[in-house]
Amino acid sequence: AQKVTQAQTEISVVEKEDVTLDCVYETRDTTYYLFWYKQPPSGELVFLIRRNSFDEQNEISGRYSWNFQKSTSSFNFTITASQVVDSAVYFCALSEAQSGGGADGLTFGKGTHLIIQP
Amino acid sequence: NAGVTQTPKFQVLKTGQSMTLQCAQDMNHNSMYWYRQDPGMGLRLIYYSASEGTTDKGEVPNGYNVSRLNKREFSLRLESAAPSQTSVYFCASTLGLLSGANVLTFGAGSRLTVL
Repeated sequence: AQKVTQAQTEISVVEKEDVTLDCVYETRDTTYYLFWYKQPPSGELVFLIRRNSFDEQNEISGRYSWNFQKSTSSFNFTITASQVVDSAVYFCALSEAQSGGGADGLTFGKGTHLIIQP
Repeated sequence: NAGVTQTPKFQVLKTGQSMTLQCAQDMNHNSMYWYRQDPGMGLRLIYYSASEGTTDKGEVPNGYNVSRLNKREFSLRLESAAPSQTSVYFCASTLGLLSGANVLTFGAGSRLTVL
């Protein structure tokens, strides 16, 4: 069965510090997809990134970067030079393409509450 | 373009009452989902509909029923609400054509309190 673990329940840093959110996943499929979503205090869920299991290239988007390592089953998210607006709950999620046909939704981790203090 | 619309946004029920959460999407998506979010638990899948005419149980289906009314609409019904169903409910949809790869688009959420 698929599983996503976000061991950090809450992280608090001072603005401009770098911060890394950890995500470890479990799956038996060889084809799968990993996602990160952001949930700001307003409550909506905002898509950040999707990665497939065959693409281990790291990705950078502005101050955000993602490190995907199949060897350790991890898909970590780093925010560089954090800002107060980055304060949110961040969810890592997994979708298997083979088991369940892939249409059975995402399995989410429990989320990491990131607090950026001014 | 409204995306995924959920109604109501807030609802307070008494134990034993019934209610239906409505969800509609205007993106011509095939697959639709209902999740619940509880503190410290992340989002857990209640039911999903991979395509019009089909529905399947997710991780936490007990106490709920769903109806895929048409391609646009997917409703979640609580027949006899219990305090354990106090939660924030999210509807989501995705194109569903590329297995597993599609990004879910979420509604704004419905906060339900059962007294």
